[in-house]
Amino acid sequence: EPEVTQTPSHQVTQMGQEVILRCVPISNHLYFYWYRQILGQKVEFLVSFYNNEISEKSEIFDDQFSVERPDGSNFTLKIRSTKLEDSAMYFCASSRRLAGGRDTQYFGPGTRLTVL
Amino acid sequence: KNQVEQSPQSLIILEGKNCTLQCNYTVSPFSNLRWYKQDTGRGPVSLTIMTFSENTKSNGRYTATLDADTKQSSLHITASQLSDSASYICVVPGSQGNLIFGKGTKLSVKP
Repeated sequence: EPEVTQTPSHQVTQMGQEVILRCVPISNHLYFYWYRQILGQKVEFLVSFYNNEISEKSEIFDDQFSVERPDGSNFTLKIRSTKLEDSAMYFCASSRRLAGGRDTQYFGPGTRLTVL
Repeated sequence: KNQVEQSPQSLIILEGKNCTLQCNYTVSPFSNLRWYKQDTGRGPVSLTIMTFSENTKSNGRYTATLDADTKQSSLHITASQLSDSASYICVVPGSQGNLIFGKGTKLSVKP
């Protein structure tokens, strides 16, 4: 069964450094998402992406964040200058259609980002 | 404000027993409600998706109910197994296609 993959599984970085989290969505999916989950808290929506542009973003997704689909398979989340509070598990997800419909969103295994 | 609230926060049951998890939502407009299972350190996995016209939906030992009038849903787990130990998260799509997550119920099944 196809699945969403994410790399790396764990990223440790120094405060102020840039990080890029990578995701390979399911191949025939058109909508892509990033979520984060701070340890012990609920999953929070960051951004949705469709047709090579951002569809929706949350308050969390400020100017320090950016997303890109550099080729036909990868979907990346860049944090320009990491802060301690960016430490979290970051999940990528994809769906064939917009998640507000009945389509299931498939989540990747996550990247644990630790900012020191 | 669009919110999804779940109870209990955590639950411990013995293997083989049944349990019911609750979800209340205030998301509007409402299109559907999902239950996800999240194992520790893993991504959420979809269990069920229910639209406003569906009252009950089963997926193996999982049965979800939905009352769109009272904006409540429940997830019933029958004959629990050790592998059911996980967080169960109630999720409702927001108006822009993003998903609004509850905090989840952490279920521990003990032998």
